[in-house]
Amino acid sequence: TQLLEQSPQFLSIQEGENLTVYCNSSSVFSSLQWYRQEPGEGPVLLVTVVTGGEVKKLKRLTFQFGDARKDSSLHITAAQPGDTGLYLCAGGPMGAQKLVFGQGTRLTINP
Amino acid sequence: NAGVMQNPRHLVRRRGQEARLRCSPMKGHSHVYWYRQLPEEGLKFMVYLQKENIIDESGMPKERFSAEFPKEGPSILRIQQVVRGDSAAYFCASSPPVKNIQYFGAGTRLSVL
Repeated sequence: TQLLEQSPQFLSIQEGENLTVYCNSSSVFSSLQWYRQEPGEGPVLLVTVVTGGEVKKLKRLTFQFGDARKDSSLHITAAQPGDTGLYLCAGGPMGAQKLVFGQGTRLTINP
Repeated sequence: NAGVMQNPRHLVRRRGQEARLRCSPMKGHSHVYWYRQLPEEGLKFMVYLQKENIIDESGMPKERFSAEFPKEGPSILRIQQVVRGDSAAYFCASSPPVKNIQYFGAGTRLSVL
């Protein structure tokens, strides 16, 4: 069974600070996706990374896929209260058309 | 462009009743996935379907649960004889052919009394 471990599970920081969320596995994934989920809603896709070492930027968010395609990180620069939410990483196992989700990181940005 | 549409958004059933959850994929998407999110837990894969075919049902409970994606109409997740432990949020996702990039609906929140 492939697992994705997200850390930290909870993170509360002040507005303007930087933060990094990690997503780790002992398994190789063909792709890695990051989602954000608001209470009572479905996950909203932020980014997909497919190449080892790939880096993608989305405004103040930077996503990286590990060289071995076993891990990923999400870095937020100058966090804002609007960044508050649940962030989920999800990996596509090799040879399978499904997603394995991490437990999520619940991020709170305090004004 | 309409996204993935799920209905109902909320469903209340008494123990022993049947629950039917519907999902219409995004336009142009022929692959549908169902996931379950238990309270305070992550999303868990249940089943992957293409039109008229179940491709991977490795995450489906062996009893009471079934899924279909007919040639016409939405995908249906059916739960027979519901129990309290079935209370959860059920999410549907769809993807285009070839690419495993999944877009999710808003979910159906099932409450079993």
